[in-house]
Amino acid sequence: AQRVTQPEKLLSVFKGAPVELKCNYSYSGSPELFWYVQYSRQRLQLLLRHISRESIKGFTADLNKGETSFHLKKPFAQEEDSAMYYCALSSYSSYKLIFGSGTRLLVRP
Amino acid sequence: DSGVTQTPKHLITATGQRVTLRCSPRSGDLSVYWYQQSLDQGLQFLIQYYNGEERAKGNILERFSAQQFPDLHSELNLSSLELGDSALYFCASSVGDKAQNTGELFFGEGSRLTVL
Repeated sequence: AQRVTQPEKLLSVFKGAPVELKCNYSYSGSPELFWYVQYSRQRLQLLLRHISRESIKGFTADLNKGETSFHLKKPFAQEEDSAMYYCALSSYSSYKLIFGSGTRLLVRP
Repeated sequence: DSGVTQTPKHLITATGQRVTLRCSPRSGDLSVYWYQQSLDQGLQFLIQYYNGEERAKGNILERFSAQQFPDLHSELNLSSLELGDSALYFCASSVGDKAQNTGELFFGEGSRLTVL
């Protein structure tokens, strides 16, 4: 069964500090991983996808199949990064996009 | 606004009642997804429709049902409501029928259901 685990409900850091939001997944096939973000008073939106290997707003995420992880990282957090972050999993043959329970990132000044 | 629209935004009802949540996808999107977000829970996938046909089913209760109409809008029907059904119900849409094609779902603002 597909499952996404985000172990931290809340992550609080100071501005300028590095950030790592953890995501672990369970899936026997070849997964597609994504990070979604929801800023205050805004809709949930796609932040980045592993297949694109892109950096969005300074965030990167590397798929580690050995550790079944897809952690989201940013070297220097900004106050505007404060939001809810959801890790999501799909697969080539699946119609579903399965989300984790989310991590609230709070960046303090 | 040509984004995903959901109505109503808020709904308060009593146990045992039935409600219908409505979703209009983005212009040009053929897939509609329904998710439930309860307190302290993540987004639980309920069901997906593509061009009027059911494509995937998640942990959707038998008391719940959905459909997608020819004009592509979708409705989620919740019946015999229980206190535990209180949640935020999100609708999302995408162009294709497989989420992994782009991974990008476009979400509505959600319908908050409170069952008293």
